[in-house]
Amino acid sequence: TQLLEQSPQFLSIQEGENLTVYCNSSSVFSSLQWYRQEPGEGPVLLVTVVTGGEVKKLKRLTFQFGDARKDSSLHITAAQPGDTGLYLCAGASLGNQGGKLIFGQGTELSVKP
Amino acid sequence: DAGVTQSPTHLIKTRGQHVTLRCSPISGHKSVSWYQQVLGQGPQFIFQYYEKEERGRGNFPDRFSARQFPNYSSELNVNALLLGDSALYLCASSSDRTYSPLHFGNGTRLTVT
Repeated sequence: TQLLEQSPQFLSIQEGENLTVYCNSSSVFSSLQWYRQEPGEGPVLLVTVVTGGEVKKLKRLTFQFGDARKDSSLHITAAQPGDTGLYLCAGASLGNQGGKLIFGQGTELSVKP
Repeated sequence: DAGVTQSPTHLIKTRGQHVTLRCSPISGHKSVSWYQQVLGQGPQFIFQYYEKEERGRGNFPDRFSARQFPNYSSELNVNALLLGDSALYLCASSSDRTYSPLHFGNGTRLTVT
């Protein structure tokens, strides 16, 4: 059974601080996606990484896919209260034609002004 | 364009009852997936349907079933409800392109009493 271990599970920081969320597995994934979910809503895609070692930046968010495609990280610089939410990593298995993702447990981020 | 729509938004059922949840995908998306998200956890894959055929099934009992209609909308059925079935049920649609992201609806919150 493929698993994605996400850490930390909870994170409460002050506005302006930096943070990193980790997503680890013993399995290789063909791609890894990061989603953000707000209360009462479904997850919304932030980024997809597909190449080992790939780094993608989305404004203050930096996403990295591990060289072996087993792990990923999300780094937020100068966090703002608007970044508050549940961050989810999700991996697609090798040969997966889409639709089936393995999700991590999520990181509940709270950024206080 | 309208996003993924799910109905109903909330539902309260009693143990042993049956429930049907509905999902309309984004126009042009032929793949629909269902996920269960228990409070405090990441979504867990239940089913994927593509062109009315089941393409994948997660580790859920036979009480869970689904189908996809010619217009690509989908239904998730759960029989003999248990208290542990209480969760947010998310529907997601995607195109069939490689690395296509999932577009989630806002879910149906099911409470079993």
